[in-house]
This record gives sequence, structure tokens and C-alpha cells, in this order.
Amino acid sequence: DAGVTQSPTHLIKTRGQHVTLRCSPISGHKSVSWYQQVLGQGPQFIFQYYEKEERGRGNFPDRFSARQFPNYSSELNVNALLLGDSALYLCASRDISTYEQYFGPGTRLTVT
Amino acid sequence: QKEVEQDPGPLSVPEGAIVSLNCTYSNSAFQYFMWYRQYSRKGPELLMYTYSSGNKEDGRFTAQVDKSSKYISLFIRDSQPSDSATYLCAMSTQGAQKLVFGQGTRLTINP
Repeated sequence: DAGVTQSPTHLIKTRGQHVTLRCSPISGHKSVSWYQQVLGQGPQFIFQYYEKEERGRGNFPDRFSARQFPNYSSELNVNALLLGDSALYLCASRDISTYEQYFGPGTRLTVT
Repeated sequence: QKEVEQDPGPLSVPEGAIVSLNCTYSNSAFQYFMWYRQYSRKGPELLMYTYSSGNKEDGRFTAQVDKSSKYISLFIRDSQPSDSATYLCAMSTQGAQKLVFGQGTRLTINP
């Protein structure tokens, strides 16, 4: 079975631009979460979606938004990019009956 | 103070050694504990998942949770160069939507 997939793999953007990152969960998983991982740090929680509804939000500004589609895939959008948004963005998929989360390979975003 | 503290290392040991990795936490409501392995520029890979206190063994890996001390450990026996990676502890409360991670410990196993 395919694991969590994310696209694109790498992305370079300029300050002030916006970006859209995409994630497809493991087949049968209905919950998707997004995390930001800055170099040298552990991942920080951004959002969780379940059944197309936002179920949790971390301490991130309103420039960050997300949505989940009927097929349970998800998008993370970041507006007005700042240099500090440069990070590895991770998507995690979860079977709601457990607390185990499985991560995708991530999208590496560089803001110049 | 961070909710989860983890020594970032780096930690370097010879091949075949027993490795001990640890995290402490401050939130007594944490009940679900996980260890992830992350290779450079890759996504975290789930290694061990434990609910509440106790030990769990899977091959060369053993996870321990001591809720009274708010302390969790991961032991790696017969360490191999392929175990060289960053190890992240993560935990969650009952009903929570998020995992709270430690900073990660960078481990190198020398042949």
C-alpha cells in the first residue's frame, strides 16, 4: 500500500508570494494533519482535519490555512510568505481509531 | 519551559553498542507516546507506539514509559550504522488532535 504522499518535493518562493502544498493520506485514513519542521527542531503542529472539518489548529498566524477534500486529500496554503516560513512541511495521516500518525516525505519550502 | 525536552546531542557510539535515548515532559495528561526516526531531509518514520506506562519491545528496539517520573526512553540494542539518524519523541493527550515533539537527538553509529 502507498504511504502518505506529498507534492511538490521542493519549492522556492519569494517573500510576499503564496504557496499551496498538497497531501494524500494512506488509503482508508480520514484524518490529515500538517506540521512545520524548522531545521534542527521537532515538528510543530499547524492543523488537523477530519471528515473535511478543521479539528485542531496550532499557534500559527492566519496566513496559514488548509482544507480537506471529499477524497480526504488536503492542501496547506500559506499567504504573504516570510523568510521564517522556510521549513520542511510535513503531512501526517491517521486512522482515527488509534493515535498513531504516519508522515509523508515532506515538502521543503525555501523563501528568499 | 518546553512541554517536551529532548537532548539534541549529537550522540556518537560504536557499532554494536546499546543506545539509550530519553525525553522528559511536563504535561501529566500525556498518555500516548511515540518514537520516530528521521533520516536527513526525509519525513519521520514511526518506530514505536506506547499507551500509558510500561515497556514495549520490537526487535532491537525497546520503548519505556515512566509516567510517575514523566520520562520516556528508547533503547536500541546491537546498534548498526543504518540506525544513524535523528530520533524524535512525540506524545499526545487523550482526544488531542496534535502530537507534541521533542527537539530530536542526532545519533551516529560508527562502524
